[in-house]
Amino acid sequence: AQSVSQHNHHVILSEAASLELGCNYSYGGTVNLFWYVQYPGQHLQLLLKYFSGDPLVKGIKGFEAEFIKSKFSFNLRKPSVQWSDTAEYFCAVNAGEGYSTLTFGKGTMLLVSP
Amino acid sequence: KAGVTQTPRYLIKTRGQQVTLSCSPISGHRSVSWYQQTPGQGLQFLFEYFSETQRNKGNFPGRFSGRQFSNSRSEMNVSTLELGDSALYLCASSQSGQGAYGYTFGSGTRLTVV
Repeated sequence: AQSVSQHNHHVILSEAASLELGCNYSYGGTVNLFWYVQYPGQHLQLLLKYFSGDPLVKGIKGFEAEFIKSKFSFNLRKPSVQWSDTAEYFCAVNAGEGYSTLTFGKGTMLLVSP
Repeated sequence: KAGVTQTPRYLIKTRGQQVTLSCSPISGHRSVSWYQQTPGQGLQFLFEYFSETQRNKGNFPGRFSGRQFSNSRSEMNVSTLELGDSALYLCASSQSGQGAYGYTFGSGTRLTVV
């Protein structure tokens, strides 16, 4: 079975700092990869996804992620964070038979101080 | 188009009772997945339905069950509630349940068992 590991449970940054959240997955076959964000009191929203093609994926709100197959990684980046980026971020993988389930990491809580 | 609708938003139940949660997917989506979100375990997959058939099931006891109707609406049922069942239950809708099409989440049902 696949698993997803997110490197940091909590990250605290000042506004305008750069962000990189690590995500590694364990699955040897073809995968689809996702980053979701959950703002306080809101539902999960898709930031970006990768399923094929260019390994550098751009998402909403200035986020991007790079799929490195050899490292089984899909790290999320943003050059300059804003206070409004305060949220919990989840990496997820969709793989295996039928491709019909998502396996999530434990999440990273990002706090951006103004 | 309308998003994924989950009802009710909040529920308080007593240990030993049973509960039914409802999810209406995005129009045209045939796959509905259910997830349990808790602070300790994060997001865990419960089950997935496609065209009224359960295609995948997570590692949860038999007290957790679900079904899907011909209009793709889905319900999940938890019988003999335990305190540990307190969680946010999320429903995700997808065209086919395959990652390339993406998954859209509802706002969830917050279940508290007392």
